[in-house]
Amino acid sequence: GEDVEQSLFLSVREGDSSVINCTYTDSSSTYLYWYKQEPGAGLQLLTYIFSNMDMKQDQRLTVLLNKKDKHLSLRIADTQTGDSAIYFCAESMDNYGQNFVFGPGTRLSVLP
Amino acid sequence: NAGVTQTPKFQVLKTGQSMTLQCAQDMNHEYMSWYRQDPGMGLRLIHYSVGAGITDQGEVPNGYNVSRSTTEDFPLRLLSAAPSQTSVYFCASRPGLASETQYFGPGTRLLVL
Repeated sequence: GEDVEQSLFLSVREGDSSVINCTYTDSSSTYLYWYKQEPGAGLQLLTYIFSNMDMKQDQRLTVLLNKKDKHLSLRIADTQTGDSAIYFCAESMDNYGQNFVFGPGTRLSVLP
Repeated sequence: NAGVTQTPKFQVLKTGQSMTLQCAQDMNHEYMSWYRQDPGMGLRLIHYSVGAGITDQGEVPNGYNVSRSTTEDFPLRLLSAAPSQTSVYFCASRPGLASETQYFGPGTRLLVL
């Protein structure tokens, strides 16, 4: 079955770049997503990338996709304390997203 | 727009009790889903609906029922609560295609004793 893996914890210093990594098993993934969850809140979509893209940049966020290695990463430039949250990688297998599979989430701690 | 709302925010149940978690959205979204979030496991899909009158099972449907009589509402029923159903439950909705943002509710924290 589909599986999405992430490391569970990451600590960075304020102002440094953060890189959160994700691997997935299903090569038929159509869309890959990054969601952010702040304490006590639901998930918020940060960005997504279509499977035929290698990179997507949106302000401080850069998503890199290596389809050969089934590896997705999220880079946050100039990390701020407000970026402290849990970041979930997710994939969907079809254009209608009926089968979202989420990773376990990476807890990002930003140290002053 | 209120977005996706969920009630209650917190609930404590005894084993064997039944209850309904409410979810509503006012964005006229076709797709609605229920997830449970457990530590170290991310979100797992329980049930989903692609429109009023249509529901289907997700990854972990056992012990849960859903119905979708209107576009706005998508309640999740626990028929006979078990301690293994202790979790945080999130309802989500989106307009249609996978490329569109999925909006999450604030969650319901459920404890089954």
